[in-house]
Amino acid sequence: EVQLVQSGAEVKKPGESLKISCKGSGYSFTSYWIGWVRQMPGKGLEWMGIIYPGDSDTRYSPSFQGQVTISADKSISTAYLQWSSLKASDTAMYYCARHAYSSGYSYYFDYWGQGTLVTVSS
Amino acid sequence: SSELTQDPAVSVALGQTVRITCQGDSLRSYYASWYQQKPGQAPVLVIYGKNNRPSGIPDRFSGSSSGNTASLTITGAQAEDEADYYCNSRDSSGNLWFGGGTKLTVL
Repeated sequence: EVQLVQSGAEVKKPGESLKISCKGSGYSFTSYWIGWVRQMPGKGLEWMGIIYPGDSDTRYSPSFQGQVTISADKSISTAYLQWSSLKASDTAMYYCARHAYSSGYSYYFDYWGQGTLVTVSS
Repeated sequence: SSELTQDPAVSVALGQTVRITCQGDSLRSYYASWYQQKPGQAPVLVIYGKNNRPSGIPDRFSGSSSGNTASLTITGAQAEDEADYYCNSRDSSGNLWFGGGTKLTVL
């Protein structure tokens, strides 16, 4: 059974750093891209970036480039999303999701983590 | 533009058919995928590719595409289908985009 299990909720202060995780199991972790998706309170889904754990090739949404860092440790089947200096506006639910494709024209997130709630408040 | 546009809200009578649409230039080249999200839950993939349903998704969910518009159709909507629905696709640069979401109300 494919599973993505994310780390627990975090409460941080502005300016602090943070790294949240997403552990994959039940499939070949190095063979699928893993994406990160933000959902601010009461708002829609936003794609942040994606990483291929096989070679750590990483792509960022133009909206998030330079704001976060995505990484992966294939030895423990875990992807990460990190901030060096959090802002109140980073308060959101963050999801990781496995990205798959078929036929060359079909791309989709087929499995999702349960989400990690990040609250940034002074 | 590579952005995807959805109607913010749609309603349907119980047992009737509803279509949720998603518009964007990237849909001329790439299929949309569709996600259902209920309050307090992670999104769930319901349609991908030309018209593919993951295991466990009822066959009342179907997808189609024409030009720059992708559609998710629910034939015989049930109370449990009330949720937010998001489309997603990629553009030629490899960026991924979500639509703004459609809140479906089943009356």
